[in-house]
Amino acid sequence: ETGVTQTPRHLVMGMTNKKSLKCEQHLGHNAMYWYKQSAKKPLELMFVYNFKEQTENNSVPSRFSPECPNSSHLFLHLHTLQPEDSALYLCASSHSSGQGYSPLHFGNGTRLTVT
Amino acid sequence: DAKTTQPNSMESNEEEPVHLPCNHSTISGTDYIHWYRQLPSQGPEYVIHGLTSNVNNRMASLAIAEDRKSSTLILHRATLRDAAVYYCIGGDSNYQLIWGAGTKLIIKP
Repeated sequence: ETGVTQTPRHLVMGMTNKKSLKCEQHLGHNAMYWYKQSAKKPLELMFVYNFKEQTENNSVPSRFSPECPNSSHLFLHLHTLQPEDSALYLCASSHSSGQGYSPLHFGNGTRLTVT
Repeated sequence: DAKTTQPNSMESNEEEPVHLPCNHSTISGTDYIHWYRQLPSQGPEYVIHGLTSNVNNRMASLAIAEDRKSSTLILHRATLRDAAVYYCIGGDSNYQLIWGAGTKLIIKP
């Protein structure tokens, strides 16, 4: 149990589908992150939210749309994905960067396959 | 850009200490050195971090060279559950961390 819960654990979707990934944390953190981990590639930061406000967007295509309704929940809405978007999507949380360094707490990820 | 260099893989025997090296010659004066590990089928897990002084916690020790161009993660007594990919990363905030390929640690019984 990591304190960060991601659902679903596995997802298979066609290129025309719309789906959403969910992340939930009850660690009292106020920063949340989406990462992408592709096979044989390093972890890539996608989005960062601090106190529900998006503070980082690392040139992510618009077919990925994040949503952070509150500090405990984070969503990643997916539409018209490509096969190369197949990867492990990881959510993480931490205390806000303005409070000194706080380690990242990761969920176990959603394994996404785009067919 | 706090790029780090780690060996691709290392092997160690169970119940023996493990020293995982990391080079970070371009690290800036304000960059922390962070270590995370990723067990199979799990997300990364925080291990330890430090700035200048050596650090100890319940999981591991971190030895930082005086010139801060390298560091070593020390697992004092490796178990089979320590088999994972270990990432050494430099940066002064979470959204500046540049993750590499890490070191795959293999523990032999």
